[in-house]
Amino acid sequence: GDSVTQTEGLVTLTKGLPVMLNCTYQTTYSPFLFWYVQHLNEAPKLLLKSSTDNKRTEHQGFYATLHKSSSSFHLQKSSVQLSDSALYFCAFNTGGADRLTFGKGTQLIIQP
Amino acid sequence: NAGVIQTPRHKVTGKGQEATLWCEPISGHSAVFWYRQTIVQGLEFLTYFRNQAPIDDSGMPKERFSAQMPNQSHSTLKIQSTQPQDSAVYLCASSLVGSSAETLYFGSGTRLTVL
Repeated sequence: GDSVTQTEGLVTLTKGLPVMLNCTYQTTYSPFLFWYVQHLNEAPKLLLKSSTDNKRTEHQGFYATLHKSSSSFHLQKSSVQLSDSALYFCAFNTGGADRLTFGKGTQLIIQP
Repeated sequence: NAGVIQTPRHKVTGKGQEATLWCEPISGHSAVFWYRQTIVQGLEFLTYFRNQAPIDDSGMPKERFSAQMPNQSHSTLKIQSTQPQDSAVYLCASSLVGSSAETLYFGSGTRLTVL
């Protein structure tokens, strides 16, 4: 069945370093991929989304490229800031279903 | 635009009691989703309405969970005979029409604690 797998657990980085959070998916349909971010005690909100193969999508310094050949949609940023500390969810849905399927989330902690 | 409003923010129940959670979607949005968030499972889909009609309840535990959307301005999630394993943050989200590519707008959630 359809599923999404992302870097699980905790990622701790020092401010200014690059980050990549992995996301891979499994589906027989053509997918829409999403990254949502949830800051502490806040609602999850959309960070970026894509359905176009091999096209880079960017927002607020974060970027991701959907690669259908490898079923991946990794989230990257070249230089993390303290304010990037949050829980990041990869999610997808397909033309066959309107609901999003989420990964289990990656907690990103940025240290000074 | 106040966003998606969920009440209460926190609810504590004793084992076996009933809990009702409320959600007010963004005005003009016709799709409403309920998710459950735990550390172990992450975000799990529960159920989904479009134009107040139930579309997909495949994630709902069948015996004690029910959801309704009596009008376009609110939805409720009811858990009967709550159990400790029901403790979680319950998130409501809305979108404009509920299509595959749309952004979901989440509320801040209701944290349910079952003692």
